[in-house]
Amino acid sequence: KQEVTQIPAALSVPEGENLVLNCSFTDSAIYNLQWFRQDPGKGLTSLLLIQSSQREQTSGRLNASLDKSSGRSTLYIAASQPGDSATYLCAVRLSFVNSGYELNFGKGTSLLVTP
Amino acid sequence: DAGVIQSPRHEVTEMGQEVTLRCKPISGHNSLFWYRQTMMRGLELLIYFNNNVPIDDSGMPEDRFSAKMPNASFSTLKIQPSEPRDSAVYFCASSPGSFTQYFGPGTRLTVL
Repeated sequence: KQEVTQIPAALSVPEGENLVLNCSFTDSAIYNLQWFRQDPGKGLTSLLLIQSSQREQTSGRLNASLDKSSGRSTLYIAASQPGDSATYLCAVRLSFVNSGYELNFGKGTSLLVTP
Repeated sequence: DAGVIQSPRHEVTEMGQEVTLRCKPISGHNSLFWYRQTMMRGLELLIYFNNNVPIDDSGMPEDRFSAKMPNASFSTLKIQPSEPRDSAVYFCASSPGSFTQYFGPGTRLTVL
């Protein structure tokens, strides 16, 4: 079974800092990897999706990288802001069946950006 | 678009009672997923449907859990009888067949 691990479990940084969140997975034969954001009491919002053939994706201040061979992905947040405070989850797509698919999630990194 | 709609948002019940969680996916999406989130186990897939047909229910913890999708705009997850260890946040998500899933706000279930 694919295991997805996220380190650290929690992180607190002052506003303006650049930061990196880590995700590792045990089976390198993935289809794609996604980073999600979850705000307290809310559902998940997809931030970035990296296909297995890609090395990175960027959206605004966010940059996600993927190294399939080593089973790792990082989410880089530039110039962090208090509004970035949330839990960030990494999810690996395992299979594709009849247009549906399954995601294996890490437990997330809880980020707090202090003013 | 209203997004994925889940009801109720919060449910408190006593052990042994039947609980029914409801989900309305985004119109036009052909895949629907039920997840459970706990502090200990994180986010786990319980079951997913494609075109209203259950594809994989291997994540359903035991026979007390059942899910149905009678039509493209409605799904239910039922727990009967409920137990305290079922306390969690239950999420429904839908997908148009692309790579992204769209999550609802979740139902927080507390079983006393």
